[in-house]
Amino acid sequence: EPEVTQTPSHQVTQMGQEVILRCVPISNHLYFYWYRQILGQKVEFLVSFYNNEISEKSEIFDDQFSVERPDGSNFTLKIRSTKLEDSAMYFCASSESEPSSYNSPLHFGNGTRLTVT
Amino acid sequence: DQQVKQNSPSLSVQEGRISILNCDYTNSMFDYFLWYKKYPAEGPTFLISISSIKDKNEDGRFTVFLNKSAKHLSLHIVPSQPGDSAVYFCAILTGGGNKLTFGTGTQLKVEL
Repeated sequence: EPEVTQTPSHQVTQMGQEVILRCVPISNHLYFYWYRQILGQKVEFLVSFYNNEISEKSEIFDDQFSVERPDGSNFTLKIRSTKLEDSAMYFCASSESEPSSYNSPLHFGNGTRLTVT
Repeated sequence: DQQVKQNSPSLSVQEGRISILNCDYTNSMFDYFLWYKKYPAEGPTFLISISSIKDKNEDGRFTVFLNKSAKHLSLHIVPSQPGDSAVYFCAILTGGGNKLTFGTGTQLKVEL
């Protein structure tokens, strides 16, 4: 069964450094997402992306965050200047069509654990 | 932001018995609800969903019930198996229809 793949599985970085988290969504999917889960907290929506542009973003997704689909297969999340509170598990997800079509659930990758020291 | 709540952080059930996981939501305008399962070191996996035009949806051992008047959602697993031991999240579709809002999760442990 096709799956969403994320690399790396664990990323350690120093505060203030830039990080790029990478994802390969399922190949025929058109909608892409990033979620995160801080340890012990809920899975939180960050951003959705469709047709090469952001369709929705949360208040967490400030100017330090950006997303890109550079080559038609990868989907990346960049954090420009990491803060301690960015430490979390970051999940990429994709869906075949818009979730509100009801038959298009999100498929999640296994996540990248980001540790900011 | 407490749009969706799972009040039981954990549940322990014997193998073969029924597991019932509960979820409450705040906004009667929500119209699509999902359950995800998550194993350690993996991402959430979609289990089953229901739209507000239904009050029940079944898929094998998994059944989701929706009580719109009570704004309550439940997931029934019967019979429960040890492999069902995981964290279960309910989620609702919010925002412009592209955003899932998750509950805090319930850790299910199915014991032999």
